[in-house]
Amino acid sequence: EPEVTQTPSHQVTQMGQEVILRCVPISNHLYFYWYRQILGQKVEFLVSFYNNEISEKSEIFDDQFSVERPDGSNFTLKIRSTKLEDSAMYFCASTEDSSYGYTFGSGTRLTVV
Amino acid sequence: GESVGLHLPTLSVQEGDNSIINCAYSNSASDYFIWYKQESGKGPQFIIDIRSNMDKRQGQRVTVLLNKTVKHLSLQIAATQPGDSAVYFCAEIKDDMRFGAGTRLTVKP
Repeated sequence: EPEVTQTPSHQVTQMGQEVILRCVPISNHLYFYWYRQILGQKVEFLVSFYNNEISEKSEIFDDQFSVERPDGSNFTLKIRSTKLEDSAMYFCASTEDSSYGYTFGSGTRLTVV
Repeated sequence: GESVGLHLPTLSVQEGDNSIINCAYSNSASDYFIWYKQESGKGPQFIIDIRSNMDKRQGQRVTVLLNKTVKHLSLQIAATQPGDSAVYFCAEIKDDMRFGAGTRLTVKP
């Protein structure tokens, strides 16, 4: 069964550093998403991406964050100048049709120290 | 056992019992709803969905009920098994997908 693949599974970074979280969505999917889950809390929407541009973003997704689809397969989330409160699980998701359910990756656990 | 997802975030049931997990959604314009299961250390996994033009949908051992009048969604799991232990999130979709707070289901053998 097709999967959304995320790397790395765990990233530890120092406060103030930049991190790039990587995702390979399912190949025929057109819509891509990033979500965040702080430990013990609900999954929060960050951003949606379609046709090489952001289609929607939440209030969490400020200038510290950016997304990119650098080639035909990868979808990345860049977090600049990381803060302690950025520590969370970051999930990538994709779907063929935005009116249907999304397929999620297994997540990247980001720890900012 | 029964829970109100946002007000009682944990639900403990005996193996073999039926479970009911509740969720209140926020956007009356949402037209598609999904229940996800999240096991420890994993991403959300699709369980069942329902469109706003329906009020009930059944899957294998799971049933989702939608009450648009009160913006309420429930997930019923029949004959709950230890493998059902996880956190369950409802999600609503209008322009994008937003998750509810989640309920942790624990199944006691």
